[in-house]
Amino acid sequence: EVQVLESGGGLVQPGGSLRLSCAASGFTFSSYAMSWVRQAPGKGLEWVSAMSGGGDSTYYADSVKGRFTISRDTSKNTLYLQMNSLRAEDTAVYYCARDATMIVAAYFDYWGQGTLVTVSS
Amino acid sequence: QSALTQPRSVSGSPGQSVTISCTGTSSDVGGFNYVSWYQQRPGKAPKPMIFDVSKRPSGVPDRFSGSKSGNTASLTISGLQAEDEADYYCCSYAGSYTLGVFGGGTKLTVL
Repeated sequence: EVQVLESGGGLVQPGGSLRLSCAASGFTFSSYAMSWVRQAPGKGLEWVSAMSGGGDSTYYADSVKGRFTISRDTSKNTLYLQMNSLRAEDTAVYYCARDATMIVAAYFDYWGQGTLVTVSS
Repeated sequence: QSALTQPRSVSGSPGQSVTISCTGTSSDVGGFNYVSWYQQRPGKAPKPMIFDVSKRPSGVPDRFSGSKSGNTASLTISGLQAEDEADYYCCSYAGSYTLGVFGGGTKLTVL
């Protein structure tokens, strides 16, 4: 059974940093691109970042470019999102999602339950 | 402001059909056949309902169908059931720079 499980969310002050993790199981992790999608409280979904299965390509939304870094550890079947210079507008539930096809961000077939990041003083 | 435009809400009675539109541009919806739809219930993760414009993942009832015309994609739910009440989001691939763009979401109310 395919599963993705996020962790690492919490309360952080503006300007601070946080690292999210996404543990994947039930599939060959290195064969799939993975994405982070976030949802601010009461708002819609926003694609944030993605990494190819081999880890050689990374992608970022303009809103996080230069502040967030995506990475993956294939030996641990884990995806990460390092978030620096956090702003209040980064407050959201962050979902980890599997990219189902070779076209990154075309279709997310499995989602985690999300982890809440709150940026506030 | 979301990249794709969806109506904020739609409603229908049990047994009826409803259609949710998702309007983009030639750079996203109109330019690629990679539109997907997600159902989200309160406090839950999104659940995929349609991918590649009109394909259904395994386990999704055939009451759910997708289509596209020009820059507008649509999700149609026929034979509405109470359990269909949820928020629905469209998503489109938008090229190798922008990648994925979502709609603002539509709240479906089953009367």
